[in-house]
Amino acid sequence: SQQGEEDPQALSIQEGENATMNCSYKTSINNLQWYRQNSGRGLVHLILIRSNEREKHSGRLRVTLDTSKKSSSLLITASRAADTASYFCATDGIQGAQKLVFGQGTRLTINP
Amino acid sequence: EPEVTQTPSHQVTQMGQEVILRCVPISNHLYFYWYRQILGQKVEFLVSFYNNEISEKSEIFDDQFSVERPDGSNFTLKIRSTKLEDSAMYFCASTGHQGGSGELFFGEGSRLTVL
Repeated sequence: SQQGEEDPQALSIQEGENATMNCSYKTSINNLQWYRQNSGRGLVHLILIRSNEREKHSGRLRVTLDTSKKSSSLLITASRAADTASYFCATDGIQGAQKLVFGQGTRLTINP
Repeated sequence: EPEVTQTPSHQVTQMGQEVILRCVPISNHLYFYWYRQILGQKVEFLVSFYNNEISEKSEIFDDQFSVERPDGSNFTLKIRSTKLEDSAMYFCASTGHQGGSGELFFGEGSRLTVL
């Protein structure tokens, strides 16, 4: 299975702190993506990192990818209450897979 | 900004009834997907669709499920005889990129409750 597994399952921090979420996957990938889901809403794409990239930034987001360990991390710096959401990693597969496979997600709560 | 729209937002049905969930993908996208999410759990792949045919489907997508693109805009998911365990949020997604090579654009979902 290509399924990503996020860690931790839930994270609660104070506003202004940094939040780090991890994702592990099982098979080779072309790219890994992170999505955000507000409660009861659809998923929104945050960032895509390709297998030949090691780090990528987008605003307050920093994503790393270690293909040797089959893992990725998402760092949100200077967290805000509005960052409260679930965060999912998703992987494709090099074998011509026609889909993204999502992990279990990390539920992030930012306390004001 | 273009978006994926889904209807209905919430449907309640009796076990054994047929349900059709509708989606309007982004107009120039070519690849379409249905995912589902049981409350509080992971987002599960159901089916991908390209060039008017299913390109991949999961074990969940059994004979009770079907998809259709009846015209140039709509993409539907039909559940022929609903079961209690079909209760979930169903998300439609589309992309202009093959497979998982690009960003998926998701709709807001259709919540299905089977009684």
